[in-house]
Amino acid sequence: AQSVTQPDIHITVSEGASLELRCNYSYGATPYLFWYVQSPGQGLQLLLKYFSGDTLVQGIKGFEAEFKRSQSSFNLRKPSVHWSDAAEYFCAVGGISNTGKLIFGQGTTLQVKP
Amino acid sequence: DVKVTQSSRYLVKRTGEKVFLECVQDMDHENMFWYRQDPGLGLRLIYFSYDVKMKEKGDIPEGYSVSREKKERFSLILESASTNQTSMYLCASRWGLAGVSEQYFGPGTRLTVT
Repeated sequence: AQSVTQPDIHITVSEGASLELRCNYSYGATPYLFWYVQSPGQGLQLLLKYFSGDTLVQGIKGFEAEFKRSQSSFNLRKPSVHWSDAAEYFCAVGGISNTGKLIFGQGTTLQVKP
Repeated sequence: DVKVTQSSRYLVKRTGEKVFLECVQDMDHENMFWYRQDPGLGLRLIYFSYDVKMKEKGDIPEGYSVSREKKERFSLILESASTNQTSMYLCASRWGLAGVSEQYFGPGTRLTVT
């Protein structure tokens, strides 16, 4: 069965430090991969997505993610974190049975220290 | 901009009440989804719809039903609310019946059943 794992439930980084959020997926075919961000009290906003082609994808707010097929991973990175990046981040896999369904990871909560 | 709206941000209901959660999207999207979000579990799909009057069960449909009489509106119904349905409910919509487009999310409804 398809699944997504985000190994880190909580991460705390200092403002200005680099960030990497991990995502591993289990899916037999070529996955469609997404990262979403949820600020407190808000719905989910798409940060970036990968469907094919260049394995390093750029997103909004200075985020990027790299697809590594050999490791079944799609980790999210940002070189310098801002206090406004404090939020919950969700990795998701799609392309399942042509239904548009997404399977989400458990989420990672990012706290930013001043 | 795509806009997905949900009828209430916060809702408090009593056990046994019938509850309606409404979702409206303004981009003529074919697909619409209802998720529930619980801490540590990420988002779990309750039901989705790929056309008017069409619906399919997601991963946790028990205790819920849905209605889609018009393309822009997708309703989630709790026939007899129970305390274990206290949760955040998120609606999403998506263009196309298959393929790679992302889902757009509403702000969520936080439902408390007492």
